[in-house]
Formats: sequence, C-alpha cells, structure tokens
Amino acid sequence: EPEVTQTPSHQVTQMGQEVILRCVPISNHLYFYWYRQILGQKVEFLVSFYNNEISEKSEIFDDQFSVERPDGSNFTLKIRSTKLEDSAMYFCASRGWRNTEAFFGQGTRLTVV
Amino acid sequence: ILNVEQSPQSLHVQEGDSTNFTCSFPSSNFYALHWYRWETAKSPEALFVMTLNGDEKKKGRISATLNTKEGYSYLYIKGSQPEDSATYLCAFPFTGNQFYFGTGTSLTVIP
Repeated sequence: EPEVTQTPSHQVTQMGQEVILRCVPISNHLYFYWYRQILGQKVEFLVSFYNNEISEKSEIFDDQFSVERPDGSNFTLKIRSTKLEDSAMYFCASRGWRNTEAFFGQGTRLTVV
Repeated sequence: ILNVEQSPQSLHVQEGDSTNFTCSFPSSNFYALHWYRWETAKSPEALFVMTLNGDEKKKGRISATLNTKEGYSYLYIKGSQPEDSATYLCAFPFTGNQFYFGTGTSLTVIP
C-alpha cells in the first residue's frame, strides 16, 4: 500500500539552528501539506502546496519557514532559525483530487534545546 | 481561522458499549468533511470522507452521518473494543484545499 514517509523520525537541534524536515508523498498525489502538533495541543495547519507553489499558509508559517519540492518527489519543510516553541511533531500529508482523503506520514519529532 | 469543534474532548467507555461524538463546522462553503483516527505513536488514518448532506458511511462497527445545512457530523462506534481507543479527528477542507482540524475526541475503551 502506498504511504507517505518522513525523515528523520526524531531531530534534536539547538535554538537558532536551521532544520530541514523531509517527506516523500504518495507519487501521484497533487496536494501536499505540513501540520504540526505541539505536545498536548491540537493539530495546527502550517502550509499547503499545489502545482509547485504554496496555495495557503497559516499565521504560524512566517518568514522562518519555507517549503520546497525540489525534485518532484521530496517535499521539505525548512525552519531557518529554530526557536524553543518550534518543538513539536511535524506531520506531512498528501492527497489526490479535492475530496479524497489525506494520507499522513509518521511524523518527525522536533526538539529544540 | 475557521472553527471546527468536537465534543466531548474525551470519553471513557466500557468494552461493549456504543458511543458517539460530534464534529461541528461552518455550514457555508462546504466541500467535504473528513474523519480520521489517530492512535498514539501512529499517524492519522482516514476513516471517512463525506460530501453530501444526509450522507451516512460505515466501516465495520464505525459509522458517520453528515448534516451540511446545520453544520455537524456524528461518528458512532457500536460495541466499542479496546483497539478503538484513539483520538478521533474531524477535518474540514476550506476552499477545497486547506484542512482545518477539530480539537479531537480522545476515546478510551476500558476492557
């Protein structure tokens, strides 16, 4: 069964450092998403990506965040200068046409120290 | 930011009991309503995608109904089992693309 894969599963980084979280969405999917969940809080939307550009982003997704789909398969989330409050589980998701379900990766736990 | 609300926030039921919970969403600009099950240490798994008012979907002991005019969906679990313990999330695609997730209902089934 096709699946969304994320690497690494856990990343520890020092405050101020740049991190890149990687995702390989399902190959024929069209829409790509990043979400995060801070421990004990609800899932928060970060950004959606369609047709090689950002289609929507939340207030959380400020200038410190960027996304890329560099080679048509990987979908990356970069945080330029991490803050303590960026510590969370980051989930990538992809889906096909508009009303189909999203498939999620297993998540990357980011710990900023 | 759209308000997608779920209730109750958490629920403890005995094995064998049936249970249900609610997702409320804005009734305007409706595209679809998604239900996901999120087990601890796993990623969310899609249960249902519902698009039509009056839709009723079923997967085993789990079913869901949809009322787009009043903006709610119910998820029902018949004869709950310990393996049903998870957080159940509804998600509302806005403008057909971005998803807004509810806060989730955490279900614990006690053997």
